Amino acid sequence: KNEVEQSPQNLTAQEGEFITINCSYSVGISALHWLQQHPGGGIVSLFMLSSGKKKHGRLIATINIQEKHSSLHITASHPRDSAVYICAAEDNTDKLIFGTGTRLQVFP
Amino acid sequence: NAGVMQNPRHLVRRRGQEARLRCSPMKGHSHVYWYRQLPEEGLKFMVYLQKENIIDESGMPKERFSAEFPKEGPSILRIQQVVRGDSAAYFCASSPLVSKNIQYFGAGTRLSVL
Repeated sequence: KNEVEQSPQNLTAQEGEFITINCSYSVGISALHWLQQHPGGGIVSLFMLSSGKKKHGRLIATINIQEKHSSLHITASHPRDSAVYICAAEDNTDKLIFGTGTRLQVFP
Repeated sequence: NAGVMQNPRHLVRRRGQEARLRCSPMKGHSHVYWYRQLPEEGLKFMVYLQKENIIDESGMPKERFSAEFPKEGPSILRIQQVVRGDSAAYFCASSPLVSKNIQYFGAGTRLSVL
């Protein structure tokens, strides 16, 4: 069993839909990261959080430390949101342990 | 403030050759991380360095791979005697002095071993 599990693996949506991607982890963490990998391969850090909730534009990330679970939400999705979204747990040695990613496709 | 710079973007090597991948962190960042993404697989941690120090190399293969981050100049990931299985995308990330920060990723180096 992977230390960081994401679901779903693949997700398709119509433009405008609300999207949720889930991440569960089994290791002790100091922080939880959400990353976006574009079709061209580049990686962008979206959020780092250790408690509660963060919001940036149409993106919202939440974490429940007790349940070892985080979610990434995208409101009013757009085709340009199509990418792979990766959850990564930062362990207590500052290492990132990555989930396998969720491939999102948003159709117009 | 330029982002994390990796070069080359693409590197082709024949089996047995050496590959040298370079990473210049963002200005003011003293922590560098190297990750590998094998085809159709997720990212995996390789090594974490600070200036002139290897902090954690638990993700590095035991042979042929080495990394350094000298006082001056970029961080280097070196792969000796490359094999086909080394073909992957290698990403570097950097973060500021204080830990538990967002890591800023470079565009990656895509290594192809023929």
